[in-house]
Order: sequence, then structure tokens, then C-alpha cells
Amino acid sequence: AQSVTQLDSQVPVFEEAPVELRCNYSSSVSVYLFWYVQYPNQGLQLLLKYLSGSTLVESINGFEAEFNKSQTSFHLRKPSVHISDTAEYFCAVSVGYGGSQGNLIFGKGTKLSVKP
Amino acid sequence: NAGVMQNPRHLVRRRGQEARLRCSPMKGHSHVYWYRQLPEEGLKFMVYLQKENIIDESGMPKERFSAEFPKEGPSILRIQQVVRGDSAAYFCASSSGLAGSTDTQYFGPGTRLTVL
Repeated sequence: AQSVTQLDSQVPVFEEAPVELRCNYSSSVSVYLFWYVQYPNQGLQLLLKYLSGSTLVESINGFEAEFNKSQTSFHLRKPSVHISDTAEYFCAVSVGYGGSQGNLIFGKGTKLSVKP
Repeated sequence: NAGVMQNPRHLVRRRGQEARLRCSPMKGHSHVYWYRQLPEEGLKFMVYLQKENIIDESGMPKERFSAEFPKEGPSILRIQQVVRGDSAAYFCASSSGLAGSTDTQYFGPGTRLTVL
């Protein structure tokens, strides 16, 4: 069975500081990896995803994540955060399902709090 | 192009009543997923449906919960005889099914159910 661990439930940082949100997964098969962001009282928005190819993936708002198969990790990073990045971030995996994606398995989330 | 729509956004029920949650997928999407988010928890998969078919309901509680995605109209998640433990945010996601196992799921804003 697959599982996702987000080691940090809360990460407070100051504006313009770098940040890393950690995500580790366990799976005996190949997986697809995702980061979603949830702003207060809203649904989840896809931030970035790794399906295949280059292990470094980037989002349009400066986040990046690197798939590390040997360490079974998919940590999310941003070199300089903004107040507007304050949100909860969820790491998720999918193993595919008979030709379709199947369900996503989520971590418990990391609340990023950016302070001025 | 409208995103995934869910209604109502907030639903209050008394113990023993029925709750009906609706999800309209993105235009052109024929795959629907339901997830539940309990307080301080990540999202947990409940059920995966395609038009008129339940593909995977391994995350659904055995009793009181049911889901459908008819040929016409929205997907419905139905909870009969609600209990306080059903209080949660229920999220619907949809995908096109065209990219097979690399499909992206797009999430709605969620329905927040409160059981008094």
C-alpha cells in the first residue's frame, strides 16, 4: 500500500526567506507525485506534478520540487517566499489505476505561515 | 470555462437527517472523485465514478454513504442518518480521462458539512 508522510505540520518563515516543505512516500510501484495548495476555505489547487522525465519540476509562481527515487522524497522548495504564499500544502501520490489515474493518497498537510 | 462546482458550500444537518452533496465536473470531464477532509487531517479518498458507473468505492464507509454519477446531471454524494462524526469538508475532483494514468484531478471548493 502507498502512503505519504509530511514531516512538518507547520512551517513559519519570514518573508523573502527560503522554505522547504518535506514529503516522503512509500510505494512498491512507480508513482506519480503532486503538490496541491489550499488557501483558507477554498478547494485544492494543483501546484506542480511529477509524472516522468526530468526529476525537477517547477510551478509558475516560483515553487519547485525534485523527485528523488532513492530517498523516496518529493520536497517542495521556494527560494524566497511572499506573504501570499501563506496556505496549507498537500503532497499526494497516485499509482494509476487500470489506465486511469485512480485515487490520490494525500499527506496530512503542512501549514506554511509567512510573516512580514 | 467553469471549474468544478460544488453545492451547497455549507450544509448544516441535525443528527439523523440526510445530507446530499452535489458536484458538477468541469466541462468535458467524465471522471469524478470524492474525498473527505476531517479537521487537522489530509484528504481521504472515498469513491471514484465515471458516468453511470462506480469504479472504486474502497474508501466509502460501508453504511449510510452512497454515491452516483448519472448520465445527466451532477454527481451526488448522499449520507443518510448523519452523525456528528460525519462533520467534515467534502471535496469533489474531476478529470477528463483522456490522459489515462497521467490525468490531472481538478478540485472543487468543497462542501463543509456540520452535523449538530
